[in-house]
Amino acid sequence: AQTVTQSQPEMSVQEAETVTLSCTYDTSESDYYLFWYKQPPSRQMILVIRQEAYKQQNATENRFSVNFQKAAKSFSLKISDSQLGDAAMYFCAYRTMNRDDKIIFGKGTRLHILP
Amino acid sequence: DARVTQTPRDKVTEMGQEVTMRCQPILGHNTVFWYRQTMMQGLELLAYFRNRAPLDDSGMPKDRFSAEMPDATLATLKIQPSEPRDSAVYFCASGLARPYSGREKRTYNEQFFGPGTRLTVL
Repeated sequence: AQTVTQSQPEMSVQEAETVTLSCTYDTSESDYYLFWYKQPPSRQMILVIRQEAYKQQNATENRFSVNFQKAAKSFSLKISDSQLGDAAMYFCAYRTMNRDDKIIFGKGTRLHILP
Repeated sequence: DARVTQTPRDKVTEMGQEVTMRCQPILGHNTVFWYRQTMMQGLELLAYFRNRAPLDDSGMPKDRFSAEMPDATLATLKIQPSEPRDSAVYFCASGLARPYSGREKRTYNEQFFGPGTRLTVL
């Protein structure tokens, strides 16, 4: 069975600084998706970034980028120029590429932005 | 602006009462998922449907939980009887799964989440 582990329950970063959230996963499959979701206090789940495992290039969305290390099964999220609106719970997640669409989530990292 | 809707947004009830949560998936989506979020367990999949047929409900306590899709525009999650340990946020998500032969890379289809129902069982 696939698992997703986020070892940092909470993190803090100064506004405008860069922060990296860690995630490791375990799977025996070769094709899959990895995601980072953001959950602000409104509790809406927002997709931040997606990575296909067959792509070597790391995904980037504006200030958000990932460091995908397939052999190490590591998938970290880097937030550059942190803003107050980035404060939220961040979930790392996994999904296979076969017909099973279900998403497996990590326990989350709560990110605080210090003004 | 297509979005998944869930009702009620918040629900407080007493132990033993029946609770029904409703979800309206995005029009045209053929997969619906129910997730439960708690502090201890995080986000867990309870059940999911494709074309209204249940595909996996292994994450759902069978004795008190039931999930149905009466039609393509409505998914329901019922708890009877409710217990304090059922207190959580319940999310519905929907997506569009396209036919897949297994020989090619699947076209990515995003899951869109509703705002969740926060359930408190006293």
